[in-house]
Amino acid sequence: DVKVTQSSRYLVKRTGEKVFLECVQDMDHENMFWYRQDPGLGLRLIYFSYDVKMKEKGDIPEGYSVSREKKERFSLILESASTNQTSMYLCASSLARWGAEQYFGPGTRLTVT
Amino acid sequence: GENVEQHPSTLSVQEGDSAVIKCTYSDSASNYFPWYKQELGKRPQLIIDIRSNVGEKKDQRIAVTLNKTAKHFSLHITETQPEDSAVYFCAAKGYNDMRFGAGTRLTVKP
Repeated sequence: DVKVTQSSRYLVKRTGEKVFLECVQDMDHENMFWYRQDPGLGLRLIYFSYDVKMKEKGDIPEGYSVSREKKERFSLILESASTNQTSMYLCASSLARWGAEQYFGPGTRLTVT
Repeated sequence: GENVEQHPSTLSVQEGDSAVIKCTYSDSASNYFPWYKQELGKRPQLIIDIRSNVGEKKDQRIAVTLNKTAKHFSLHITETQPEDSAVYFCAAKGYNDMRFGAGTRLTVKP
């Protein structure tokens, strides 16, 4: 049974803080993704990684960076949090880059005040 | 890249009725179309998917149909139950991306 876990379910940060969101998967998947989920906008891809130390920008990478130092762990970094980054963040992993099931984590609801 | 539109944004049905959610996509090369269900407070989970070499796929009360010519695909849920209440997302795999629709909030009234 695939398990994708995220470091926090809820997080409250102040404007300007550096924020780290971590995601860990236990299925040896090469592909990992970070999405942002907002009402009426669905799931929007921030970044994805297809191998250790490899990353590619998604649709909305501005204000975010990522790190993949180990295969099982994919981190999302908000260098200087802003109020418009208040959102639900979902991590996912998959066997294939695009044409296979994505297994999602439980999500982190981030509030930036 | 791919662009996916999903309708309706909200759908309310009586228990036992059918529900249909439709998505259109823009990239004619798209070849994989998954549907995810997200219950309140939970993670999205794949419920059914279809590849472009078939026109329909069924799994118990759930079916997905694909019309490649018109570039649209639909999720059909028959004999709806209260536990079908959730947000449903369609997605389409383009050449080098996968895009999600905005979601449909389905409410099944007992």
